[in-house]
Amino acid sequence: DTEVTQTPKHLVMGMTNKKSLKCEQHMGHRAMYWYKQKAKKPPELMFVYSYEKLSINESVPSRFSPECPNSSLLNLHLHALQPEDSALYLCASSQDHSGGKTDTQYFGPGTRLTVL
Amino acid sequence: GNSVTQMEGPVTLSEEAFLTINCTYTATGYPSLFWYVQYPGEGLQLLLKATKADDKGSNKGFEATYRKETTSFHLEKGSVQVSDSAVYFCALANYGGATNKLIFGTGTLLAVQP
Repeated sequence: DTEVTQTPKHLVMGMTNKKSLKCEQHMGHRAMYWYKQKAKKPPELMFVYSYEKLSINESVPSRFSPECPNSSLLNLHLHALQPEDSALYLCASSQDHSGGKTDTQYFGPGTRLTVL
Repeated sequence: GNSVTQMEGPVTLSEEAFLTINCTYTATGYPSLFWYVQYPGEGLQLLLKATKADDKGSNKGFEATYRKETTSFHLEKGSVQVSDSAVYFCALANYGGATNKLIFGTGTLLAVQP
């Protein structure tokens, strides 16, 4: 089973709202990722967690706040977003061998976010 | 640095036509190579992968061969179906640091007409 689940599927929020995106995997993977994808573009990496610790932050604005409560869950907390933050937010996970071997990333279906 | 170049789309084919989507890469060392597919309104699905030179990845009638000498990983399918209409992303992962990163090409939109 290579399933990554994401909730909600769609989210509409105002610029003053606080909301959270959730991601879950039960494959025993130890690396989890957040990506942002604008229309007709490839995904852009935002954050990487490895063994529940933040290992990569691609200079993402602080209005996006990731959290990894345990090895199966990944959250993205949203606050004071701008309309240009509207996009498809994708979660992914991988084994994370961390020993010189590249991993295969498996993606969830995404949350389509609209900021009004 | 690492980069992936894909052919521009859209690619429009009739059902049962032969498909080739070109992908070339630049990388140091020995990257792993992937093709992901994104159907309308969905996330990315892994289509196939290859982890070393001369490996052939295959799935659902699609195949791609890791060619180190030409730094290419072209996607092919002998007979496309309407249900293959999607965006196809070529990507590489090159180990570096604590966690590997995926480098994506720009994506190629495939439209298959009945």
